[in-house]
Amino acid sequence: DTEVTQTPKHLVMGMTNKKSLKCEQHMGHRAMYWYKQKAKKPPELMFVYSYEKLSINESVPSRFSPECPNSSLLNLHLHALQPEDSALYLCASSQGLAGAPGRNEQFFGPGTRLTVL
Amino acid sequence: AQSVTQLDSQVPVFEEAPVELRCNYSSSVSVYLFWYVQYPNQGLQLLLKYLSGSTLVKGINGFEAEFNKSQTSFHLRKPSVHISDTAEYFCAVSYQGAQKLVFGQGTRLTINP
Repeated sequence: DTEVTQTPKHLVMGMTNKKSLKCEQHMGHRAMYWYKQKAKKPPELMFVYSYEKLSINESVPSRFSPECPNSSLLNLHLHALQPEDSALYLCASSQGLAGAPGRNEQFFGPGTRLTVL
Repeated sequence: AQSVTQLDSQVPVFEEAPVELRCNYSSSVSVYLFWYVQYPNQGLQLLLKYLSGSTLVKGINGFEAEFNKSQTSFHLRKPSVHISDTAEYFCAVSYQGAQKLVFGQGTRLTINP
């Protein structure tokens, strides 16, 4: 299984809502990533989890809260978002094994299209 | 600072014509290089990668790329494109010891019949 799955595919939420995005992989990867992608732009890294611990937070506002319950699952909890947070949210995973040449080859999910009203 | 430059934001070509999408990176250390493709409303799919070894790398869908260390380039080529190749293409670099991928700004490839 070389797939990263993301749910839901689409999400519309108001600025006072709380919602969560979910990401799952069964490739035995030990690093997982959240990216935000605006139209016609490259993905922007938000968070990196390595061996289920948060290793990188790219100064993301606290209204985005990541969680890694186990090595296969990654969640992104959303609360009090702004309309400018509307974007495609991509999850990715990689081997994450130190010393392996391909450790940073990232496998991407299809994304969740988020609209904040 | 490490950076990736995709020299063309848009490349229009006719169907069955050859195409080259250009990518240059800045680095003084070992790098791993990737090309990803993103079709409309989808995630990113890996086209090909250079980790080590032969500098000419073949990928999926008939694409290939050549790693040129002296010119710090990793240009993507296809000898004959199809309508289905219409997509956004991203060059990305991973620096040895780093967890991050650094992406270029993307090149929009449009195939005209």
